[in-house]
Amino acid sequence: AQSVSQHNHHVILSEAASLELGCNYSYGGTVNLFWYVQYPGQHLQLLLKYFSGDPLVKGIKGFEAEFIKSKFSFNLRKPSVQWSDTAEYFCAVKRAGNNRKLIWGLGTSLAVNP
Amino acid sequence: GAVVSQHPSWVICKSGTSVKIECRSLDFQATTMFWYRQFPKQSLMLMATSNEGSKATYEQGVEKDKFLINHASLTLSTLTVTSAHPEDSSFYICSASGLPTDTQYFGPGTRLTVL
Repeated sequence: AQSVSQHNHHVILSEAASLELGCNYSYGGTVNLFWYVQYPGQHLQLLLKYFSGDPLVKGIKGFEAEFIKSKFSFNLRKPSVQWSDTAEYFCAVKRAGNNRKLIWGLGTSLAVNP
Repeated sequence: GAVVSQHPSWVICKSGTSVKIECRSLDFQATTMFWYRQFPKQSLMLMATSNEGSKATYEQGVEKDKFLINHASLTLSTLTVTSAHPEDSSFYICSASGLPTDTQYFGPGTRLTVL
């Protein structure tokens, strides 16, 4: 069965620090990959996604993620975090194909201290 | 673009009553809608997947007679919690997906409290 693993459950950083959140999945076929963010009191928003092409994808708010197929990984990065990045981050994966369900990681809670 | 709304945003009801939650895609046609529950400080739990015009597919352990899902149009899906009990109290979230993006966009959620 497919599964998604997010390595860090809680991360605390100071402003301007660099961020990398790990995400690994288990599925041997073609996948589509997503990172979603949930700011306090808000709904889930799409940060970025990968379907095909350049494995380095750029999303909103300065986030990027790199798909490494050989490692089954899709790590999220940001070179310099801000206090406003404090949120819950979810990695999700689905099998390639229209409207398939997402398999979710458990999420990483990021707290950025000003 | 890709805005999904939910109504109501919160509802309180008595045990034994039924509650209907609406999910609408405002600016795109959603061929598929998904219904989730989210528990505090936890990830999303998929309840069911609904395709427009056909019966919903429920995840294992989700009672289809208790959580009725209707997806009658490309912009509207409804979740009805029948004979609600306190253990059904939760945060219910819908998402909508359509072509060509094949990406789920989420509604703001509905907080259900059953007394």
